[in-house]
Amino acid sequence: DAGVIQSPRHEVTEMGQEVTLRCKPISGHDYLFWYRQTMMRGLELLIYFNNNVPIDDSGMPEDRFSAKMPNASFSTLKIQPSEPRDSAVYFCASTRGSGMNTEAFFGQGTRLTVV
Amino acid sequence: DAKTTQPPSMDCAEGRAANLPCNHSTISGNEYVYWYRQIHSQGPQYIIHGLKNNETNEMASLIITEDRKSSTLILPHATLRDTAVYYCIATTSGTYKYIFGTGTRLKVLA
Repeated sequence: DAGVIQSPRHEVTEMGQEVTLRCKPISGHDYLFWYRQTMMRGLELLIYFNNNVPIDDSGMPEDRFSAKMPNASFSTLKIQPSEPRDSAVYFCASTRGSGMNTEAFFGQGTRLTVV
Repeated sequence: DAKTTQPPSMDCAEGRAANLPCNHSTISGNEYVYWYRQIHSQGPQYIIHGLKNNETNEMASLIITEDRKSSTLILPHATLRDTAVYYCIATTSGTYKYIFGTGTRLKVLA
């Protein structure tokens, strides 16, 4: 397996524009996580899904952020409208739920810059 | 999930053992201790996890005190490639929810 695949790797956009980040989890994994990392706040869990259903979105910063998982092999994180303070590295991760926590595999991240 | 406390930074000589401590004094009986590391700006990488017994794998060893209030991650022979931020996380099994703290920045010195 190629691991968790995120796209794009880098995104530069202007304030006010819509941004869509994409994630393909590892095949067979039924949990998917979105994290955001900044120097100030570290790694923050934004939202996670189980079997394509959002379980906990309490980390989503505000209504400008939305996440979807239309099927088991694809998820998106959308920011509309984007603001400079959204600049960060966004990571997607997936894991297999087996009753016990197993390791989560992270993608390489998308570095978002909002100017 | 229990709060974990780690030193902000540590140095280790190449080839020596790196011992990274973690305090989790409020850990509950069903919470596991997980360790991840993040090399430069890559995504975090799983290292090891345990409940109350000591654990060892090809990357590291995890020593958990008998009262489970603290643990130590041991990299037996640190290399320059082990320079990274190491995160200790306490989480309830089955929640699949990892909350990262500030971690320990380990620098392995040549």
